[in-house]
Amino acid sequence: DTGVSQNPRHKITKRGQNVTFRCDPISEHNRLYWYRQTLGQGPEFLTYFQNEAQLEKSRLLSDRFSAERPKGSFSTLEIQRTEQGDSAMYLCASSAISRRGDNEQFFGPGTRLTVL
Amino acid sequence: AQTVTQSQPEMSVQEAETVTLSCTYDTSESDYYLFWYKQPPSRQMILVIRQEAYKQQNATENRFSVNFQKAAKSFSLKISDSQLGDAAMYFCAYMRGSNYKLTFGKGTLLTVNP
Repeated sequence: DTGVSQNPRHKITKRGQNVTFRCDPISEHNRLYWYRQTLGQGPEFLTYFQNEAQLEKSRLLSDRFSAERPKGSFSTLEIQRTEQGDSAMYLCASSAISRRGDNEQFFGPGTRLTVL
Repeated sequence: AQTVTQSQPEMSVQEAETVTLSCTYDTSESDYYLFWYKQPPSRQMILVIRQEAYKQQNATENRFSVNFQKAAKSFSLKISDSQLGDAAMYFCAYMRGSNYKLTFGKGTLLTVNP
């Protein structure tokens, strides 16, 4: 296992279309996080899972966004009826719940979404 | 709500010199971690160094060290003997507790001049 992977790396879509991104975390990691990063900003938290349970969603995650992690392994993030304001880099990270102090989140390369 | 502030949008340093990146944060929690992450151009984010709030000793990882001032809520990163490969965007981040979401600052773009 070489790290967190995300697909696709780039997505260009027209306003109003639906898009879906996939994240494959490091295999033994039970925590999975989604962040969004716009130009010139730091990543902002969207949601996270522990195994298959979605434990928290940010208010940034409008009704058009939905995330799943059906078997506690990979996760998908879907955006329905995309808007130009959704254009951003979508980052996925994973971590293991283990002993205190071992809490590094490992990030994937991101999916860059452009909404025309 | 916790906030993280990086007041230096850009910094530059000469190769082999030392540079310090600033970060302040705001929290009412007593149990938290602070991190510095590095994001090279078009590459994924990687952890540089982390500090647990309970530990008074400043964390050090090779050429990277932090100055953690808990009362002042300050967490600066010092890079010694800067190398060309250190050029990247650096993000300061806060985590409540020990296993939770990260709250990031806006980042500091570090340029290393040969």
